[in-house]
Amino acid sequence: EDQVTQSPEALRLQEGESSSLNCSYTVSGLRGLFWYRQDPGKGPEFLFTLYSAGEEKEKERLKATLTKKESFLHITAPKPEDSATYLCAVNSGNTPLVFGKGTRLSVIA
Amino acid sequence: KAGVTQTPRYLIKTRGQQVTLSCSPISGHRSVSWYQQTPGQGLQFLFEYFSETQRNKGNFPGRFSGRQFSNSRSEMNVSTLELGDSALYLCASSLSAAPNTEAFFGQGTRLTVV
Repeated sequence: EDQVTQSPEALRLQEGESSSLNCSYTVSGLRGLFWYRQDPGKGPEFLFTLYSAGEEKEKERLKATLTKKESFLHITAPKPEDSATYLCAVNSGNTPLVFGKGTRLSVIA
Repeated sequence: KAGVTQTPRYLIKTRGQQVTLSCSPISGHRSVSWYQQTPGQGLQFLFEYFSETQRNKGNFPGRFSGRQFSNSRSEMNVSTLELGDSALYLCASSLSAAPNTEAFFGQGTRLTVV
């Protein structure tokens, strides 16, 4: 059974203080690992897809990386508007997306 | 390009009633999935439809059902509502049913059962 564990559950950063969020996964044959951002009361917003170990994707202050067991979402010099819950999900074969419970990020000015 | 549209955005129902939620996918997308999101359980998969056929179903009771129409729009129905059904119901659309295809979510329907 596919499993996704995200850590930490919550993270509080000062503006400009870079950090990383972790997504550990157990899956039989990864077809894709997805990162989403979710603001309170809204649907998840797609950020990145990673397909194979060693792959990296960047968007503004965010950079996602992938190994055979985990993915990291690096946040460089975060701003208050980066505050949100970040969700990681995996897909293997014909199974639906399996989500982690997310990391709730707060960036304080 | 319009995103995924879910209606209604908010709903308050009484225990025992039934409810129907609607999802219009991104134009051209043929795959629609439904998820239930609660604070304790996170996002849990309900079902997935592609070309009007249910491809996958999550571990939810038979009170939860869905369907997809020929224009790819989808509905989900919950009968005999229970207090525990209170949640944010999210619909996601994908261009295809391939497992490595990105899914784009709507804003969700917030269902409150009283």
